[in-house]
Amino acid sequence: ETGVTQTPRHLVMGMTNKKSLKCEQHLGHNAMYWYKQSAKKPLELMFVYNFKEQTENNSVPSRFSPECPNSSHLFLHLHTLQPEDSALYLCASSQDLILEGGSNTEAFFGQGTRLTVV
Amino acid sequence: LAKTTQPISMDSYEGQEVNITCSHNNIATNDYITWYQQFPSQGPRFIIQGYKTKVTNEVASLFIPADRKSSTLSLPRVSLSDTAVYYCLVGDSSGPGRRALTFGSGTRLQVQP
Repeated sequence: ETGVTQTPRHLVMGMTNKKSLKCEQHLGHNAMYWYKQSAKKPLELMFVYNFKEQTENNSVPSRFSPECPNSSHLFLHLHTLQPEDSALYLCASSQDLILEGGSNTEAFFGQGTRLTVV
Repeated sequence: LAKTTQPISMDSYEGQEVNITCSHNNIATNDYITWYQQFPSQGPRFIIQGYKTKVTNEVASLFIPADRKSSTLSLPRVSLSDTAVYYCLVGDSSGPGRRALTFGSGTRLQVQP
């Protein structure tokens, strides 16, 4: 257990559905991240939040909509996805925002949500 | 621009020491070097971090030469459960502003019985 909990663990959705992924951490961390990991590809950073404010959007399509109501919770709202969006979606948190290779580079990852778009 | 280069894959046997080297020729002065481990269908897990010379914890050792252009993760006496992908991270300023936690392709370590 890393202290970062993601739900659901698995999700199958149609291209016209709307669903949300949830991430929760009670580690007292101030920064939270969404990553996408497709089969046999490196992790792709999607969004970064620091103190509930979005600090990075890595050119993610608008069909992915993040929400960070407080420092402990992060959501990823999904709508009209495509089959190529099927992937493992990972949430992470860190005490402070990780920039470049700074000294506090330890991030804690959740188990991920395995998303399949049909 | 600080990117990393690692071997795509490595094979080992149980009980052996495994050394995974990462090249980061353009590492910035203030960058630390961090290694993560990822099992299939799980999130990455922090292993070790260092700035220079040698760092050791209960899991691994990290060797960093004086020029810091490379680093070596050393896993003593690996077991089957060490089969995973290992990522080496340093800073990444390739995009606008400063990027957070950029992962490369990693090294896929396969430990055989």
